[in-house]
Amino acid sequence: AQSVTQPDIHITVSEGASLELRCNYSYGATPYLFWYVQSPGQGLQLLLKYFSGDTLVQGIKGFEAEFKRSQSSFNLRKPSVHWSDAAEYFCAALTGTASKLTFGTGTRLQVML
Amino acid sequence: NAGVTQTPKFQVLKTGQSMTLQCAQDMNHNSMYWYRQDPGMGLRLIYYSASEGTTDKGEVPNGYNVSRLNKREFSLRLESAAPSQTSVYFCASARAGRGGNQPQHFGDGTRLSIL
Repeated sequence: AQSVTQPDIHITVSEGASLELRCNYSYGATPYLFWYVQSPGQGLQLLLKYFSGDTLVQGIKGFEAEFKRSQSSFNLRKPSVHWSDAAEYFCAALTGTASKLTFGTGTRLQVML
Repeated sequence: NAGVTQTPKFQVLKTGQSMTLQCAQDMNHNSMYWYRQDPGMGLRLIYYSASEGTTDKGEVPNGYNVSRLNKREFSLRLESAAPSQTSVYFCASARAGRGGNQPQHFGDGTRLSIL
């Protein structure tokens, strides 16, 4: 079955430190991949997406993600984390048609000041 | 620019009561979706509507019904609420694209508690 895995439930980093959130997918073909961010009490906001082409994609708020086919991964990175980045992050993959998404279980990011 | 609007934002029901969650989008999107979010489980698709006039089951449809009232509105109904349906419900919409690869836009959610 197609699936998206986020192995880290909770990550804590210091403000100014670098960040990498892991995402692995299991699909027969290269899926379309997304990262969303959810602030407390809010809906999900799209950070970035990968469809094809350049495997390093840039998103909003200084985030980037790298698609690695050999590792079936799509990890999210940020060089220097800000306190406002504290939120929950979801990796998702498109399944079939009609833009249906399969989500990972999320990674909650805590930022220490 | 409202995007996706969900009403109500909060609701408490008793077991067995019925309720309809409303969702409307003003982006002229063809596809709309209902998800539920539970701790440690991410978002799971309940129902979706690829276009006006069509609806299909997602991963967890049991206990729910939907209506695509028109292109803008997509409602989710709980006919007889159960405590297991306590969750945060999100509506989303997407512009239909070739291959269906358009990102979804989300509302702010409805927090539903069933006692």
